[in-house]
Amino acid sequence: GAVVSQHPSRVICKSGTSVKIECRSLDFQATTMFWYRQFPKQSLMLMATSNEGSKATYEQGVEKDKFLINHASLTLSTLTVTSAHPEDSSFYICSARAGTVNYGYTFGSGTRLTVV
Amino acid sequence: QKEVEQNSGPLSVPEGAIASLNCTYSDRGSQSFFWYRQYSGKSPELIMFIYSNGDKEDGRFTAQLNKASQYVSLLIRDSQPSDSATYLCAVNVHIQGAQKLVFGQGTRLTINP
Repeated sequence: GAVVSQHPSRVICKSGTSVKIECRSLDFQATTMFWYRQFPKQSLMLMATSNEGSKATYEQGVEKDKFLINHASLTLSTLTVTSAHPEDSSFYICSARAGTVNYGYTFGSGTRLTVV
Repeated sequence: QKEVEQNSGPLSVPEGAIASLNCTYSDRGSQSFFWYRQYSGKSPELIMFIYSNGDKEDGRFTAQLNKASQYVSLLIRDSQPSDSATYLCAVNVHIQGAQKLVFGQGTRLTINP
């Protein structure tokens, strides 16, 4: 089945630094990938839609200059949290769709970001 | 606003019983519906998808869809302690030419041995 690999699984960084999270589709090409954020005991909130070769589409309220998304190839999308602050600490999850929407969206294993 | 509503629970069910999880959605144009299971600290994993009215069965799981009532449900038969998790209902919506998945808040299910 479709596999999405996400790295790192866990990262701790100092306040003010930047962190890059990678999301790769291993056995399929993903023209579109999605980035979610999940705070404790809350559901997944879509942050942005990453489109290969074009600019990402951000959801309302998500700062595009803070959460930089690059989708340079059909198998790789990256999310960079710039100038991270403690309130950015969260569980970040990427997903991609293999084939038609009826087959669902496959999720990466997630990245637990802690900003200290 | 494309909304998906779930009872957050917690829902407690004895082992071996049927667990029933419910979800309503607001976008009448939605065609595809998904149930994901999420264990604590892990990412969601797809259990089932459904896009036709009626029931769809896969092992111990049955998804039910009623588009007229904008209602989706998931039944888990012969519940096992390993089924204890948060279950997320998700709906594929079309917004401004793009498709995206909108999640409900999730129902926390506990199966008691």
